[in-house]
Amino acid sequence: GENVEQHPSTLSVQEGDSAVIKCTYSDSASNYFPWYKQELGKRPQLIIDIRSNVGEKKDQRIAVTLNKTAKHFSLHITETQPEDSAVYFCAARINTGNQFYFGTGTSLTVIP
Amino acid sequence: DGGITQSPKYLFRKEGQNVTLSCEQNLNHDAMYWYRQDPGQGLRLIYYSQIVNDFQKGDIAEGYSVSREKKESFPLTVTSAQKNPTAFYLCASGQGYNEQFFGPGTRLTVL
Repeated sequence: GENVEQHPSTLSVQEGDSAVIKCTYSDSASNYFPWYKQELGKRPQLIIDIRSNVGEKKDQRIAVTLNKTAKHFSLHITETQPEDSAVYFCAARINTGNQFYFGTGTSLTVIP
Repeated sequence: DGGITQSPKYLFRKEGQNVTLSCEQNLNHDAMYWYRQDPGQGLRLIYYSQIVNDFQKGDIAEGYSVSREKKESFPLTVTSAQKNPTAFYLCASGQGYNEQFFGPGTRLTVL
C-alpha cells in the first residue's frame, strides 16, 4: 500500500514568517493530495488540496506544490498568524480506491 | 462543519466491555471511514465502507467491528479484544475522488 511520510513533526515560527511542511509518498498511482488542519480537540478540516495534474495551487496565504517525479508535496503558509497554530496532516489517495493514507502530522506553533 | 455527527463525545469503558460508537452522515456520501488517533501517530484507518452492506479492514482492524446497514450510518464497536482502546476516534465520509469530511470525534477512555 501507500506510505506517506511527513516532516517536520514540530515547527515553531515567529508571527509573520513562513512555514513549510513536506510530505513524501511511495505509490506513483496516488493522484489526490489533501491537507487538513486540526485544532486541539477538534475534527480535521480541509484547508487545501491538489490533484496530480496540477503542480501548484494557492488560496490566499496557503499554497501547495506537487512534484510527481520526486513523489513529494509541500504546504506553504505565508505571513503566519497565531491562529495558524494547529496540527497539520497531509494525505494521499490512490486513483484505484477510496482509501486515504495520512502522514503523522506536524504541530505548528506561531509565536506572537 | 455540519453533515456528519458522532456520539457520544466522551465514552468511558470498563475492561472487558464492548462499546459502540455512532457515526451518522446526511451528505449522501457512499464511502465512510473510521480512524483512530493517538498522540504523535496521526490517523490510522480501522475500517472503511465504500457502499452499503460492504466494508473492508484497514491497518488496525483487530479488536474492532463495524456494520453498514444504511447509507447514512456506520457504527463502530470496540470489543473486549482491543487491548488498548483509549484513543480519539474519528469518523469520516466522502464521495468519489474528493475530500473526506470528518465528524467531531469520540474520546474513549478505559477505566
